[in-house]
Amino acid sequence: DSGVTQTPKHLITATGQRVTLRCSPRSGDLSVYWYQQSLDQGLQFLIQYYNGEERAKGNILERFSAQQFPDLHSELNLSSLELGDSALYFCASSVASSGGAYEQFFGPGTRLTVL
Amino acid sequence: QQQVKQSPQSLIVQKGGISIINCAYENTAFDYFPWYQQFPGKGPALLIAIRPDVSEKKEGRFTISFNKSAKQFSLHIMDSQPGDSATYFCAASIGGGATNKLIFGTGTLLAVQP
Repeated sequence: DSGVTQTPKHLITATGQRVTLRCSPRSGDLSVYWYQQSLDQGLQFLIQYYNGEERAKGNILERFSAQQFPDLHSELNLSSLELGDSALYFCASSVASSGGAYEQFFGPGTRLTVL
Repeated sequence: QQQVKQSPQSLIVQKGGISIINCAYENTAFDYFPWYQQFPGKGPALLIAIRPDVSEKKEGRFTISFNKSAKQFSLHIMDSQPGDSATYFCAASIGGGATNKLIFGTGTLLAVQP
């Protein structure tokens, strides 16, 4: 158990809908990263927050957004869902954003199915 | 420049054998190279990691070999066991930048036959 929790575990929804994925980082970790895992794209970095502020963006669609709250949990919002958004979404956390604290610990993921 | 190339895509090894997975990168700014292990239905789990100032790191049956001049690194699993059957991902990040985001390889599906 990495100490990172994600809810829900599974999510099934229809095209055009909006969903919210939730992540709680390990105790003491200030940085949260979101990754998408799909068969055709592999594991791809989406976005990172550090202590409530956006730190880096990767291959994240404009229909997707995220935020990190004062208690450090993070939410990834996916809107106007398309079939191609079906994937596993992972959250990872680390102590810091950069510098010496490199280790990232991944949660169990949320499997999103868009029908 | 931001890619990490991983091979092979899949690997079958007999129990007790050595599993070897290779990765290559282009961006010389990468300074942290972890390997993750992922079982079906689970999140990636950090296995072992190396910085470019060392050429080898060993933890139990797992060893990373790093060749800075060739921009390549590899994972060796000694005495491979059926329980090692999983997907392995190499990754890289730039620790000195504003973010430690990970760039992942495409993964290697390892099957260890009993």
